[in-house]
Amino acid sequence: ETGVTQSPTHLIKTRGQQVTLRCSSQSGHNTVSWYQQALGQGPQFIFQYYREEENGRGNFPPRFSGLQFPNYSSELNVNALELDDSALYLCASSLAETGLNEQYFGPGTRLTVT
Amino acid sequence: AQSVTQLGSHVSVSEGALVLLRCNYSSSVPPYLFWYVQYPNQGLQLLLKYTSAATLVKGINGFEAEFKKSETSFHLTKPSAHMSDAAEYFCAVSDRGNTGKLIFGQGTTLQVKP
Repeated sequence: ETGVTQSPTHLIKTRGQQVTLRCSSQSGHNTVSWYQQALGQGPQFIFQYYREEENGRGNFPPRFSGLQFPNYSSELNVNALELDDSALYLCASSLAETGLNEQYFGPGTRLTVT
Repeated sequence: AQSVTQLGSHVSVSEGALVLLRCNYSSSVPPYLFWYVQYPNQGLQLLLKYTSAATLVKGINGFEAEFKKSETSFHLTKPSAHMSDAAEYFCAVSDRGNTGKLIFGQGTTLQVKP
């Protein structure tokens, strides 16, 4: 069974730039959720994708957007980067049909905005 | 709205001592509750979950948690701490709908002293 993988591991961007983060879900999972974890904080829900459609969104501005592909992998795109976007971005996958919301997390992408 | 409060941002115990990490939740609907562990520079690993079966839930690495509806609590315990238990621990709540949103507490850092 393949776990959740994310790329890249680390990324440094300049304020105003755009970034794309990638996530491959665990084998057999069809739902991907993205979270932002600022230093010293708990993860904050950004949004979730199920069957290539957004299925819930947290309190993040529209410059945070995403995609899910037919193989259930996903991308998180952030436009017009701000210094406060510096954080660990976590992807989690789950199987919606269990109804248990048991999410399995990847190792994260550490984004630094300068 | 749902929320989670973890009492104590830092907990220090001696090796072999009882571990008790506190979590209180607020939810207007019957919740699902989770404990995750995060080691430095890693993603989150699911320790255990409550999904309305037994109120005493056993997880990995000897951890367990008890759901107490009257106290709106879901405290995490382990009878005997090991040095390898030193990490950040997060309690999370979600509803039973299909939005998949996990709401996390601020986290508790567990230090284990030799």
